[in-house]
Amino acid sequence: SQKIEQNSEALNIQEGKTATLTCNYTNYSPAYLQWYRQDPGRGPVFLLLIRENEKEKRKERLKVTFDTTLKQSLFHITASQPADSATYLCALSTDSSYKLIFGSGTRLLVRP
Amino acid sequence: DAGVTQSPTHLIKTRGQQVTLRCSPKSGHDTVSWYQQALGQGPQFIFQYYEEEERQRGNFPDRFSGHQFPNYSSELNVNALLLGDSALYLCASSWVSETQYFGPGTRLLVL
Repeated sequence: SQKIEQNSEALNIQEGKTATLTCNYTNYSPAYLQWYRQDPGRGPVFLLLIRENEKEKRKERLKVTFDTTLKQSLFHITASQPADSATYLCALSTDSSYKLIFGSGTRLLVRP
Repeated sequence: DAGVTQSPTHLIKTRGQQVTLRCSPKSGHDTVSWYQQALGQGPQFIFQYYEEEERQRGNFPDRFSGHQFPNYSSELNVNALLLGDSALYLCASSWVSETQYFGPGTRLLVL
């Protein structure tokens, strides 16, 4: 069956450290993968998009990698801050579809 | 530049009732998608509208219907509400690019 999985356990890290979140998928051939941030009771906010032919994408303190062999994307936040505390969602889309398929998200807590 | 807006922000209904949620896309966007997000889960795709037509539909029953107007705004209608329809309903807009921009959502509670 098709699945997209994120670590359901919250990630708890110290301010200033690098947070690394994982997104794994099975039985999909994504054309691209996106990462969103979501605060409680709010809509997801777009962060980064990476295409199937790209290995890595960066934006300020954020970095995303995409390994189609491992069927995995990693999302890194360097020099993390308490304001980075939120739930992070990964979503993929395929060439044959317009919809985004989301994981259930990973909650990140950055301690001061 | 206004982003995606949704109304109302919160809504309480009883089982069997009908509800209409509204969405205005980001300026310049012509495509609207609707998602349902249950507590602790990722958003689930309901359907997408483009050029006033439903372009793709997710695995939701016919009780869920929608409409897109000539100004690209959209409505989501849900008939015969069930307790399980309680969720955050998200609207997302896009244009050409793959990126979908989400609104703040409408929190629906069915009692």
